[in-house]
Amino acid sequence: DGGITQSPKYLFRKEGQNVTLSCEQNLNHDAMYWYRQDPGQGLRLIYYSQIVNDFQKGDIAEGYSVSREKKESFPLTVTSAQKNPTAFYLCASSMTPGQGVYEQYFGPGTRLTVT
Amino acid sequence: AQSVTQLGSHVSVSEGALVLLRCNYSSSVPPYLFWYVQYPNQGLQLLLKYTSAATLVKGINGFEAEFKKSETSFHLTKPSAHMSDAAEYFCAVNTWRGGSNYKLTFGKGTLLTVNP
Repeated sequence: DGGITQSPKYLFRKEGQNVTLSCEQNLNHDAMYWYRQDPGQGLRLIYYSQIVNDFQKGDIAEGYSVSREKKESFPLTVTSAQKNPTAFYLCASSMTPGQGVYEQYFGPGTRLTVT
Repeated sequence: AQSVTQLGSHVSVSEGALVLLRCNYSSSVPPYLFWYVQYPNQGLQLLLKYTSAATLVKGINGFEAEFKKSETSFHLTKPSAHMSDAAEYFCAVNTWRGGSNYKLTFGKGTLLTVNP
């Protein structure tokens, strides 16, 4: 079955440590996205990538970094510079717009807790 | 610029009652509109999408939404609520017309509670 996997489901880290969240898709989508979700805030875009080896900052990129070395993979690193990293992180992918805009498909999410 | 407002962060209905979740958008060009559903501690699942074809869009699980340009609205409805509909619902908008910026903008979500 095609889809998006995120691992792990739950992640715990101590303050000051960098942590990398995994996102893999087998939908053959060119575009991938990372969102952060906080209660009552909706989804906020962190980074997105339209093609391998290229990515753009979203609305809240400070304290985060990404890479896109393979089409299938788009890992997110939460650095120690992120002031409030505890949140639910969602990865998504979509076809690149052509004749229209295509929906985004979401992974199951990773809940990160930093203490 | 594109934006979406969901009226009501929490909606409570009785089982069997009509579900109405409100979404208004702001866009300078005809938008693409989406409704997603999220169950606790899970990702988002697409319910339905409007892409400038029919203004009444039918989705999964008996949901539908009507695009009303004059009201800049895309409200989500279901005639009869089921306990399994309890979840958080997100409206999203995209106004892509070429170029590299085709991100979705999401509303803050509406939590639907279904009472027995």
